[in-house]
Amino acid sequence: AQSVTQPDIHITVSEGASLELRCNYSYGATPYLFWYVQSPGQGLQLLLKYFSGDTLVQGIKGFEAEFKRSQSSFNLRKPSVHWSDAAEYFCAVGARTGGFKTIFGAGTRLFVKA
Amino acid sequence: EADIYQTPRYLVIGTGKKITLECSQTMGHDKMYWYQQDPGMELHLIHYSYGVNSTEKGDLSSESTVSRIRTEHFPLTLESARPSHTSQYLCASSESGTGQETQYFGPGTRLLVL
Repeated sequence: AQSVTQPDIHITVSEGASLELRCNYSYGATPYLFWYVQSPGQGLQLLLKYFSGDTLVQGIKGFEAEFKRSQSSFNLRKPSVHWSDAAEYFCAVGARTGGFKTIFGAGTRLFVKA
Repeated sequence: EADIYQTPRYLVIGTGKKITLECSQTMGHDKMYWYQQDPGMELHLIHYSYGVNSTEKGDLSSESTVSRIRTEHFPLTLESARPSHTSQYLCASSESGTGQETQYFGPGTRLLVL
């Protein structure tokens, strides 16, 4: 069965510093991978997705993620964090298992220090 | 920007009342989903639909029911609300047939049952 682990419940970074949010997945085949961001009181917004091809994926708001099959990881990165990036970030894995199923991680809350 | 709407955004209601949470999308997506999300927690799939007159229960058992009479509309109903139903409810939709389903989320309904 597929699963997603986000090891960090919360992370604090200073504004302007770089960011990396970790995501590990478990799935027997090549998964579809997603990162979503959720601001307080809002729904989830898609940041980026990986289906195939180039393992470095560019998304919106200056985010990127790299799929590493050998490590079963799909970490999200941003070179310079802005205060507006403070939010909750969810990694998700989708797979074809008698239909298409998406499993979400527990989320990582990002705090940004001024 | 995805066009998926949820009403109401916030709802405070007494125990025993019947409530319906509305979800509509204008993208013509076949698939629609309801997730329940407690504060700071992961998303749990409670219902999904692959098309008109198709509804299925998700991974998390829920006392709510759903209907899908029209493609664009996927309401969720609680016949008798209880404090344990207090949560945020997120609706999502996705295309089908592409093998690369990306879910688009509404802004959510935050429900408080007193």
